[in-house]
Amino acid sequence: NAGVTQTPKFQVLKTGQSMTLQCAQDMNHNSMYWYRQDPGMGLRLIYYSASEGTTDKGEVPNGYNVSRLNKREFSLRLESAAPSQTSVYFCASRAGGGTDTQYFGPGTRLTVL
Amino acid sequence: GENVEQHPSTLSVQEGDSAVIKCTYSDSASNYFPWYKQELGKGPQLIIDIRSNVGEKKDQRIAVTLNKTAKHFSLHITETQPEDSAVYFCAPTDSWGKLQFGAGTQVVVTP
Repeated sequence: NAGVTQTPKFQVLKTGQSMTLQCAQDMNHNSMYWYRQDPGMGLRLIYYSASEGTTDKGEVPNGYNVSRLNKREFSLRLESAAPSQTSVYFCASRAGGGTDTQYFGPGTRLTVL
Repeated sequence: GENVEQHPSTLSVQEGDSAVIKCTYSDSASNYFPWYKQELGKGPQLIIDIRSNVGEKKDQRIAVTLNKTAKHFSLHITETQPEDSAVYFCAPTDSWGKLQFGAGTQVVVTP
């Protein structure tokens, strides 16, 4: 049981390039989330998927798109990367219901030059 | 998040002493109150949580207390050890499962 996995671990992009961050969970969780963490700050929600087939914007969605490919996988896409998107990105999943714990992946460290 | 305040931002304690971190929130819809520990280069990991109908919960050396009327909850670590050094985040959560993270507290335990 690997929990939440993310690929890649590190990525360097040039301004304007695109890329997709991958996330998968093997806990049969219904909800999945993408966060970004900037230095000295807490995590901020980019997008989330409450259940398979649904996605919603979080606090900082601009510049990102997501796809809930199936129950296991939730990807985050940067269509045209900008230096302001340099951050560490975390994926998380939650079983469902109102008060369940979110489990986090190890993160992807992205640098946009 | 802007509606969550966490204090202090840094905390240096001697090994064996206690550490207390406080989190204040404004969203009345919050009903689940977890604390996460984040070690360098890793994702946040849940260390303890409390539901809105409970005032205090303890798990070995860590405890969480909740004052829902005053909208704050605190993390208490007793008999601190070097492996407790990390960043700790509070994350009050509403019934839809939306977390709002505090800015974090860097805890340094010196031997």
